[in-house]
Amino acid sequence: LAKTTQPISMDSYEGQEVNITCSHNNIATNDYITWYQQFPSQGPRFIIQGYKTKVTNEVASLFIPADRKSSTLSLPRVSLSDTAVYYCLVAQNQAGTALIFGKGTTLSVSS
Amino acid sequence: NAGVTQTPKFRILKIGQSMTLQCTQDMNHNYMYWYRQDPGMGLKLIYYSVGAGITDKGEVPNGYNVSRSTTEDFPLRLELAAPSQTSVYFCASRGGQVNTGELFFGEGSRLTVL
Repeated sequence: LAKTTQPISMDSYEGQEVNITCSHNNIATNDYITWYQQFPSQGPRFIIQGYKTKVTNEVASLFIPADRKSSTLSLPRVSLSDTAVYYCLVAQNQAGTALIFGKGTTLSVSS
Repeated sequence: NAGVTQTPKFRILKIGQSMTLQCTQDMNHNYMYWYRQDPGMGLKLIYYSVGAGITDKGEVPNGYNVSRSTTEDFPLRLELAAPSQTSVYFCASRGGQVNTGELFFGEGSRLTVL
């Protein structure tokens, strides 16, 4: 099982870059790593997904080292509206179908 | 597209009552999931399905049942409701290959058992 471990909480100020690292030591060979953002009273929302090296989209970057045992979500120049819980997600079975969320990281952005 | 639709959005049950939370998706996704989220906590996987006629238990299946008779629908049945089942329930679906693709979530169903 590829259990994920993330910091429980992080604090930042507006305009700073925030990096959240997730460890997933037993990730399956074919599995992708996906990050989600969740605001209170809403379902999680997809941010970014990757398999290896670096992926970038309009809101974030995802860095995955060669051994794939961890991944780092990078949020450039955060704003107050980025205050949320962030989850990294990998499948918890070899079939790649059991998607079990970890505890997530609560990011608090202050002005 | 409507995406993932959950009904009802809110429900109050008495202890021992039963009910079904409905979930339907119009994206022709094979994979569907039910999660529960208690206040201030993370999401817990209840059941999931990889296609019509196939369901599997997640982390916390006790007290729940599911069925998947069609690709679109994945209802969650609560039998003999208990206060411990007070939670927000999220349904999600995913398309693409088995190891890829993003989860699309419904708006959630807030259930209170008194």
